[in-house]
Amino acid sequence: DAMVIQNPRYQVTQFGKPVTLSCSQTLNHNVMYWYQQKSSQAPKLLFHYYDKDFNNEADTPDNFQSRRPNTSFCFLDIRSPGLGDAAMYLCATSRGGGSEAFFGQGTRLTVV
Amino acid sequence: GQNIDQPTEMTATEGAIVQINCTYQTSGFNGLFWYQQHAGEAPTFLSYNVLDGLEEKGRFSSFLSRSKGYSYLLLKELQMKDSASYLCAVREAAGNKLTFGGGTRVLVKP
Repeated sequence: DAMVIQNPRYQVTQFGKPVTLSCSQTLNHNVMYWYQQKSSQAPKLLFHYYDKDFNNEADTPDNFQSRRPNTSFCFLDIRSPGLGDAAMYLCATSRGGGSEAFFGQGTRLTVV
Repeated sequence: GQNIDQPTEMTATEGAIVQINCTYQTSGFNGLFWYQQHAGEAPTFLSYNVLDGLEEKGRFSSFLSRSKGYSYLLLKELQMKDSASYLCAVREAAGNKLTFGGGTRVLVKP
């Protein structure tokens, strides 16, 4: 059974049109992460939460926002997608501390 | 901040052994993880080291030296399905930030 679920798997959006990606988890983990991964590159951390405590990476563009309304759900909002935002977006969860992170299958975003 | 370095690419023969090195510099350390990622898929967890030494898990082993800021992942008895990217990730001591290195693409040849 999938434990970290991302919807949709594939998302096509228009240049400049706001888009929201979602992530849910059944693991009851405290920590949730959003990563952006472009082709042949490492996952780049955008944000992470410990419970409701939000941590934004210094180089995450203002165009990217996130919400975590409860333990199970986390959203990534891209306010005005540009062509450079086309990527795979990965959500991951962790209990925190020394435990590993579990990844969802990702959402591949295409901007047209 | 963190700086994590891995070789970009390695090639090895089926049945052989490959060692993927990872060096890191971090302001605080709370564990090092190795992940495998096949093209177009999500990373999957392979191993975790927080204390110095070797952790063995079947064909995969991982080693850590905290004083040297160094880890390696050892893949033994290589199989064709081991062709993938291998990602080294470091968790900071303060908070739960998990940062990935650039990944090492391993190509296993017959």
